[in-house]
Amino acid sequence: GDSVTQMEGPVTLSEEAFLTINCTYTATGYPSLFWYVQYPGEGLQLLLKATKADDKGSNKGFEATYRKETTSFHLEKGSVQVSDSAVYFCALSEKIQGAQKLVFGQGTRLTINP
Amino acid sequence: DADVTQTPRNRITKTGKRIMLECSQTKGHDRMYWYRQDPGLGLRLIYYSFDVKDINKGEISDGYSVSRQAQAKFSLSLESAIPNQTALYFCATSDLGAGSYNEQFFGPGTRLTVL
Repeated sequence: GDSVTQMEGPVTLSEEAFLTINCTYTATGYPSLFWYVQYPGEGLQLLLKATKADDKGSNKGFEATYRKETTSFHLEKGSVQVSDSAVYFCALSEKIQGAQKLVFGQGTRLTINP
Repeated sequence: DADVTQTPRNRITKTGKRIMLECSQTKGHDRMYWYRQDPGLGLRLIYYSFDVKDINKGEISDGYSVSRQAQAKFSLSLESAIPNQTALYFCATSDLGAGSYNEQFFGPGTRLTVL
């Protein structure tokens, strides 16, 4: 089946540093790709998405580009803030029984120090 | 008010006990899902339901059962809890609409510990 592999954490950065969290996927078709974020004590929230090759998803200063040739969807942010501390999940959607199902990576814990 | 709520938020129980986790939503969505989250494994799908008459197994349904009592309510049961079911459980909902993907909205989670 389809799968997602994320950069292992935890990742610790200083405020205003550049962030990259790597994500690669394996899929038989052409899935949509997502980044979800989980703040402490909360459920997951959709951060951004891309539905086809070369699409760029962006939100809250985060960006990720759907790279079909490298099967990747790396998350980047130019200048992180303490409030970005969270667990980040890369995911893809695969179709099962006519409906979409999410397949998640293992998550990457990010801590930003002031 | 939260759109997707889960009760209880935390539960400690003993091996062999029956446990029910409840999920309610006010988003009016047709589709509901139960996931478990384990450290280093991401989220894995346990069961999902497209409407009150439709229940489907996910990738790790063994040891679990579900009930869709109404459009807004989807319960997860552990008939006889075991320690390796200790995890964080999430309920999620999505709309039944056109398009290739409908965003899933997650509840805050239930932390279950089985001793």
